[in-house]
Amino acid sequence: GENVEQHPSTLSVQEGDSAVIKCTYSDSASNYFPWYKQELGKGPQLIIDIRSNVGEKKDQRIAVTLNKTAKHFSLHITETQPEDSAVYFCAASRGGSYIPTFGRGTSLIVHP
Amino acid sequence: DSGVTQTPKHLITATGQRVTLRCSPRSGDLSVYWYQQSLDQGLQFLIQYYNGEERAKGNILERFSAQQFPDLHSELNLSSLELGDSALYFCASSVDLGAGGSSPLHFGNGTRLTVT
Repeated sequence: GENVEQHPSTLSVQEGDSAVIKCTYSDSASNYFPWYKQELGKGPQLIIDIRSNVGEKKDQRIAVTLNKTAKHFSLHITETQPEDSAVYFCAASRGGSYIPTFGRGTSLIVHP
Repeated sequence: DSGVTQTPKHLITATGQRVTLRCSPRSGDLSVYWYQQSLDQGLQFLIQYYNGEERAKGNILERFSAQQFPDLHSELNLSSLELGDSALYFCASSVDLGAGGSSPLHFGNGTRLTVT
């Protein structure tokens, strides 16, 4: 089955810096890669996703890049703010009836 | 707000007991997923239902069971509880049978279960 590795497990940055979280996947048939943000006391919420026919997608300060050849994808957050502090999860899925596989999460801490 | 409702928010019970966690999916979503999140652990997939039928099973213990009712709400039953069952339990829903190629999962805010 699919295996998703996520790094780093903890990321500490200063407000205004950029943050990058990387994930690798094993199943070359995976074609959908969502990212979720989990704030304290809440469930994970989708923040951005990318499909395998696209190499990059941006939404304001957040971007995701996908390298299908290397089987890795990354989340980029620019101009970080304290409210970006949360746990971020990546996931990979091949669609249809397959269940998404999640990474173990990255705890992002943005210091004011 | 994801539109997924989970009750109760908190549950404290003793070892050996049985509890039921409830989930109402987003309007229009036919698929419901249950996940367990323990301290410093990721999201462990337990089970998926689609339109009332079980579709996929993950690392769900035999002491745990679930069902999805005709109105699409779902319940997760945990019995013979052990200390190690203390965790956050999340329900998620999606429009399609498989979330991967089509729509993402929408998570509720979870039920925090504490077994003493």
